[in-house]
Amino acid sequence: EAQVTQNPRYLITVTGKKLTVTCSQNMNHEYMSWYRQDPGLGLRQIYYSMNVEVTDKGDVPEGYKVSRKEKRNFPLILESPSPNQTSLYFCASSFRDNSPLHFGNGTRLTVT
Amino acid sequence: GQQLNQSPQSMFIQEGEDVSMNCTSSSIFNTWLWYKQDPGEGPVLLIALYKAGELTSNGRLTAQFGITRKDSFLNISASIPSDVGIYFCAGQLRGSQGNLIFGKGTKLSVKP
Repeated sequence: EAQVTQNPRYLITVTGKKLTVTCSQNMNHEYMSWYRQDPGLGLRQIYYSMNVEVTDKGDVPEGYKVSRKEKRNFPLILESPSPNQTSLYFCASSFRDNSPLHFGNGTRLTVT
Repeated sequence: GQQLNQSPQSMFIQEGEDVSMNCTSSSIFNTWLWYKQDPGEGPVLLIALYKAGELTSNGRLTAQFGITRKDSFLNISASIPSDVGIYFCAGQLRGSQGNLIFGKGTKLSVKP
């Protein structure tokens, strides 16, 4: 089944403790992206990747890192999480950058 | 950053009624997409539009790409309880790479 898989689905952590949210897609998509969803603010792009080893900042990249060493994986790294990064995070992928996005089921992160 | 104005923010309708929502912007878009998000899940693509004036249907859903390239609407005919959810428009700006801009969503509630 074609899908975008994120892990974990839920995560509670403390300020400053490094964490990684994994994202994997099995559709051989070139383009991958991370979004955060917050009440009243909608979906905002954090980082995106046009292909392996090619990443770029979205609208809200501060406090996040990504890597794209392989085509299928696009992990989101929070080196030193803070409470304002409490949010619902979505990974998405598409065939190319102007193709419709396929979303994962989300990771709900709480930073205390 | 760029914004899409999506309206209405929420709708509470009777089963069987038709629904209409729209997105507008001051910028020109190459692509308009409509997504639906159910609770606890990621957005799922409903309709993709690529040409100004394009009118596309998907079952009871119909969406149009505005002639000016600055707006789009989504209609749902004869609503049913499973139409409940949050509907998002998303657009890709002309000349941009990688970033889909999302509206803030329309929350649809359907009364049986």
